[in-house]
Amino acid sequence: AQSVSQHNHHVILSEAASLELGCNYSYGGTVNLFWYVQYPGQHLQLLLKYFSGDPLVKGIKGFEAEFIKSKFSFNLRKPSVQWSDTAEYFCAVGDTDKLIFGTGTRLQVFP
Amino acid sequence: KAGVTQTPRYLIKTRGQQVTLSCSPISGHRSVSWYQQTPGQGLQFLFEYFSETQRNKGNFPGRFSGRQFSNSRSEMNVSTLELGDSALYLCASSPPGGHPYNEQFFGPGTRLTVL
Repeated sequence: AQSVSQHNHHVILSEAASLELGCNYSYGGTVNLFWYVQYPGQHLQLLLKYFSGDPLVKGIKGFEAEFIKSKFSFNLRKPSVQWSDTAEYFCAVGDTDKLIFGTGTRLQVFP
Repeated sequence: KAGVTQTPRYLIKTRGQQVTLSCSPISGHRSVSWYQQTPGQGLQFLFEYFSETQRNKGNFPGRFSGRQFSNSRSEMNVSTLELGDSALYLCASSPPGGHPYNEQFFGPGTRLTVL
């Protein structure tokens, strides 16, 4: 069975700092990868997804992620975070008819 | 287009009771998935329905069940509630065609508290 690991459980940054959240998955075959974000009190929203092609994927709100097959990783990045990026971030991998989620990373951005 | 709606938004129950949660997918979506979200475990897959058939099930006890109606609305039921069932239950729907997880749209969730 596939699994997803997010090693950063809680990240605290100041505004304008750069962000990188780690995500590793267990499956070695064809994967479909996602990053979701949950802002306080809001629905879970899709930030970006990777199915195939260019391993550097750009998403909404200035986020991007890089798929590195040899490292089984799909790390999320943003060059300069804002206070409004404070949220919980979930990495997920598609497995048949479901998504397997990591345990999430809570990001706090201070002005 | 209206998003995924879930009712009720909040529920308080006591141990041993049962509960039914409802989910209405985005119009035209036929796949509905349910997830349990807890602080320690993150989001865990419960089950997925497509055209009134359960296609996939996660590793939850038989106390957790679900169904889907012909209009794609789905319900999940938890019987004999335990304290550990306290969680946010999320429903997600997927557009027709392609992989069901191609694009999952999540509802706001139902916050269940078991006392």
